[in-house]
Amino acid sequence: DVKVTQSSRYLVKRTGEKVFLECVQDMDHENMFWYRQDPGLGLRLIYFSYDVKMKEKGDIPEGYSVSREKKERFSLILESASTNQTSMYLCASSGLRERSINQPQHFGDGTRLSIL
Amino acid sequence: AQRVTQPEKLLSVFKGAPVELKCNYSYSGSPELFWYVQYSRQRLQLLLRHISRESIKGFTADLNKGETSFHLKKPFAQEEDSAMYYCALKRGSRLTFGEGTQLTVNP
Repeated sequence: DVKVTQSSRYLVKRTGEKVFLECVQDMDHENMFWYRQDPGLGLRLIYFSYDVKMKEKGDIPEGYSVSREKKERFSLILESASTNQTSMYLCASSGLRERSINQPQHFGDGTRLSIL
Repeated sequence: AQRVTQPEKLLSVFKGAPVELKCNYSYSGSPELFWYVQYSRQRLQLLLRHISRESIKGFTADLNKGETSFHLKKPFAQEEDSAMYYCALKRGSRLTFGEGTQLTVNP
């Protein structure tokens, strides 16, 4: 079974801090994704990565950056946290070897981030 | 641009009643559509995919290209169906999600 692990379930940070959210997957998946989940807005893609050191902007990349130095790990970085970045953050992964239409993405438990 | 719309943020039904969660999409290509579900305090998980035409936990969803819809249906709702449901459209490796519908099934 695919395991996508996010390092923290809950995180509280202060405005202006640099924040790192970490995600690890154990299925050797090529693709990894970061979303934020907000009531009434659904899931919105922040960034995704299709290979080590490769990244592509999603729909709402402003205020965020990402890092993928190893295939299994994908980090989301808030360079200078602001209160409007308080949200639930979800990491997901998907592979090329499996038929992508059968299981498009596997999700982690999420990190609830509060910026004070 | 692709877009997914779930017009109902909240939906409340009684146990045993039929339930339909609406999903409409806009996409110029051939769509691949999915329903994801998130139960309380659990991770988001795939419920069903249109390509397989299967029934999962009594739920079915039919792709209607003419109406650009992919509504999720269940003839007899159960209390354990209470959850957040998301419709999603796949393009390449990316998924575009709708806003979500919170379903509550009352006893």
